[in-house]
Amino acid sequence: ETGVTQSPTHLIKTRGQQVTLRCSSQSGHNTVSWYQQALGQGPQFIFQYYREEENGRGNFPPRFSGLQFPNYSSELNVNALELDDSALYLCASSSKSAGSTEAFFGQGTRLTVV
Amino acid sequence: AQTVTQSQPEMSVQEAETVTLSCTYDTSESNYYLFWYKQPPSRQMILVIRQEAYKQQNATENRFSVNFQKAAKSFSLKISDSQLGDTAMYFCAFMKYRLNQGAQKLVFGQGTRLTINP
Repeated sequence: ETGVTQSPTHLIKTRGQQVTLRCSSQSGHNTVSWYQQALGQGPQFIFQYYREEENGRGNFPPRFSGLQFPNYSSELNVNALELDDSALYLCASSSKSAGSTEAFFGQGTRLTVV
Repeated sequence: AQTVTQSQPEMSVQEAETVTLSCTYDTSESNYYLFWYKQPPSRQMILVIRQEAYKQQNATENRFSVNFQKAAKSFSLKISDSQLGDTAMYFCAFMKYRLNQGAQKLVFGQGTRLTINP
């Protein structure tokens, strides 16, 4: 058990709606990364947050946004949902300390857009 | 940009057999990390093994070992004495190395679905 928790585990939204996904990072970790995993594919990097600021972003449109809080937990917000946003959203916590490379993943949130 | 390619969408072996999963990658970086992650039906990504590119020695973790060929940009995973619990999706992943900056983003391959049959 890695200590990274995501909520909710599943949800269904209608096209055009907005959604917020949440992630609590592992104790001692100051960095949270979000990934989108479409069915049958590998995860794709959305963005990373470090000390409450975005610290790198993948090829995702601005309607994908995030927050990181002082306790290092994080939210992923997606506006104007599209059918193609249906995927498993994974959160990974890690540390920016020197020599640290391991990312610990949560169990993901399965988002279905109808 | 880095890319990671796993050319075997599915593999299936009998319990106790040895299986090798293939991975190739493309990068212009000279120093980086490579990983194999396991994703069982529970969906949680679990780190199996890690390799630092500057190390020539192949990493091993119990029944899991890698064959890292830096010049060929190849990074295969060998699972010895396979067990039913090894059934999962396996992802190869790449991470850049940045001095004193800790964990960077992961670039994943498409995955290989491994089934261990009794």
